Amino acid sequence: EDQVTQSPEALRLQEGESSSLNCSYTVSGLRGLFWYRQDPGKGPEFLFTLYSAGEEKEKERLKATLTKKESFLHITAPKPEDSATYLCAVQRNYGQNFVFGPGTRLSVLP
Amino acid sequence: EPEVTQTPSHQVTQMGQEVILRCVPISNHLYFYWYRQILGQKVEFLVSFYNNEISEKSEIFDDQFSVERPDGSNFTLKIRSTKLEDSAMYFCASRGQAYEQYFGPGTRLTVT
Repeated sequence: EDQVTQSPEALRLQEGESSSLNCSYTVSGLRGLFWYRQDPGKGPEFLFTLYSAGEEKEKERLKATLTKKESFLHITAPKPEDSATYLCAVQRNYGQNFVFGPGTRLSVLP
Repeated sequence: EPEVTQTPSHQVTQMGQEVILRCVPISNHLYFYWYRQILGQKVEFLVSFYNNEISEKSEIFDDQFSVERPDGSNFTLKIRSTKLEDSAMYFCASRGQAYEQYFGPGTRLTVT
């Protein structure tokens, strides 16, 4: 059974304090790992797709990396507007659905 | 920028009533999905839809649920007889060219 865990559950950072969020996964044949941002009461907002170990993607202050067992979302010099819940999801080969992790709730304090 | 839209944003219904949640996926997308998120819990897959039929469904998607694409733009989720435990945010999504899914803003369903 496909499984996704995320750590930490919650993270509080000072503005400018860089850190990383972890997503560990178990899937029988990975098609892709997807990172999303979710604001309270809103739908997940797509950030990145990673397909194979060693791949990296960047967008503004965010950088996502992938190994065979986990993915990291690195946040460099975060700002208060980066506060949100960050979700990762996996999709297996020949499957349609995403399996989501529980998310990491990030708070960036000014 | 194209986006997925959903209506209504909030639906309140009584237990046992039927509800229909509506979605307009991104226009050139071919795969559509429904997910739900119970307050404080994970986003859970319900069903995927392609070429006017269900391509995959989860254990949650039982006989009380159905999906339909009644015309060229709308995609609907029907819950025939709602239960208290159906209270959740329901998200529609459509799939882009690189398997990424774009989610709508959600419909908050409250069953009383």
